[in-house]
Amino acid sequence: GDSVTQMEGPVTLSEEAFLTINCTYTATGYPSLFWYVQYPGEGLQLLLKATKADDKGSNKGFEATYRKETTSFHLEKGSVQVSDSAVYFCALREGYQKVTFGTGTKLQVIP
Amino acid sequence: SAVISQKPSRDICQRGTSLTIQCQVDSQVTMMFWYRQQPGQSLTLIATANQGSEATYESGFVIDKFPISRPNLTFSTLTVSNMSPEDSSIYLCSVVGTGGYGYTFGSGTRLTVV
Repeated sequence: GDSVTQMEGPVTLSEEAFLTINCTYTATGYPSLFWYVQYPGEGLQLLLKATKADDKGSNKGFEATYRKETTSFHLEKGSVQVSDSAVYFCALREGYQKVTFGTGTKLQVIP
Repeated sequence: SAVISQKPSRDICQRGTSLTIQCQVDSQVTMMFWYRQQPGQSLTLIATANQGSEATYESGFVIDKFPISRPNLTFSTLTVSNMSPEDSSIYLCSVVGTGGYGYTFGSGTRLTVV
């Protein structure tokens, strides 16, 4: 079945540091890929998405590129802020099926 | 994308009681799902709420414990029955809108069972 593997956290970075959170997936077909963010005490928000190979999703300075050859969708940001502290979930969905989530990576950005 | 109103946002309940969570969407949606997020864990799908028919449950979840209704294309409820402390979680409603890839989550219901 489908699965998503993402790097374990927590990840602690200083403000303005470069962020990479690795995500790889296994799927039988051609899934859409997502990054969701969950800020402390809040629900889940869609951060960005990509629906086909080589697509780049971007939002709020975050980017991720759908790499079919390496089955990866790594999340990057050039300069993180304290307000980016949250839990980040990589996820995939095939067609109208359920979303399969990774285990989440907690990011803590310190001033 | 669709806007979801989920109620209640949080509750503290006594063990042995039941709680019904409501999910209201501002537009008709194709698919509605209910997820559970246990403390410090990722999201696990409980079931797909089917309009006009019984929900489709994932392995490990049963209708007697988590009855679901979906009377129309904009509304669904999830009941957590005969609660125990192990049911303490965040429960989230999620929808897929018409036209494909939009996938939206409600803000969740934070349930604590004491």
